Amino acid sequence: DIQMTQSPSTLSASVGDRVTITCRASESISSWLAWYQQKPGKAPKLLIYKASSLESGVPLRFSGSGSGTEFTLTISSLQPDDFATYYCQQYNTYSTFGQGTKVEVK
Amino acid sequence: EVQLVESGGGVVRPGGSLRLSCAASGFTFEDFGMSWVRQSPGRGLEWVSGITWNGGRKGYADSVKGRFTISRDNAKSSLFLQMNGLRAEDTALYYCARAEYTGYDTRFDSWGQGTLVTVSS
Repeated sequence: DIQMTQSPSTLSASVGDRVTITCRASESISSWLAWYQQKPGKAPKLLIYKASSLESGVPLRFSGSGSGTEFTLTISSLQPDDFATYYCQQYNTYSTFGQGTKVEVK
Repeated sequence: EVQLVESGGGVVRPGGSLRLSCAASGFTFEDFGMSWVRQSPGRGLEWVSGITWNGGRKGYADSVKGRFTISRDNAKSSLFLQMNGLRAEDTALYYCARAEYTGYDTRFDSWGQGTLVTVSS
C-alpha cells in the first residue's frame, strides 16, 4: 500500500501569511495527487487535482506543485476562510489519504 | 446541483451488519464511478471501497475486504455498502463520494454529508 505523510500536523499562521504544506508518498505516484480542505462538521472539499490543477471555483491563492513522491500545497496569502484542515490524497493505486494538516490561528 | 445523501448508519454490536445507502441527484449517476470513504478520529480519512460506473469493477481496502460489499443501482441513482462482521475499528463517519470519471481510483469531486456508524457492545 502507498503511504502518504503530511507535514506539519499543525501549522499556526496569521491572515496574510504564505502557507506551505508538504505531502510525501512512500513510492512514486507520478502526478496523481489531490488536495482537499475540510472544515469542522463538513465534508472534504476538492481544491487541487493532478498535483497542480485548480478545481473550478477554488480561489487562485491556492496552488499545488510536485511530482513523484514530494508535493506541496501553497496558500499565497492566508484568508480568514482558510483556517481548516488540509488533506492530500494519492490516486495512483486505489486511494490513500494523508493524516491531515490543521491550519490554526497564530 | 450535485447532491449525495447517505443513510443507514446507526449503532450495531460487534459482529453485526449494516447496509448504507447513498441517494444521488443533480447529475447522470451512471456516468460516474463512486466510492465510500470513512473518517474516524483515530484513523483520519480512509478510502473503503469503490465501484465503476456500471458495477463491472469493484475495489476494497484491505481492512474491509471480505466483510464489506459495494453495489449500485443506476436506475435508482443509488450506491450501497453492505457491511458484515463489523468491528469496533469500523466506527466512523461514512461518506459517499463521486469520482471525477467512470472509474473510482481518482479524485473525488463531490461528497455527501456522511452517515455515522458506531460499533459497540
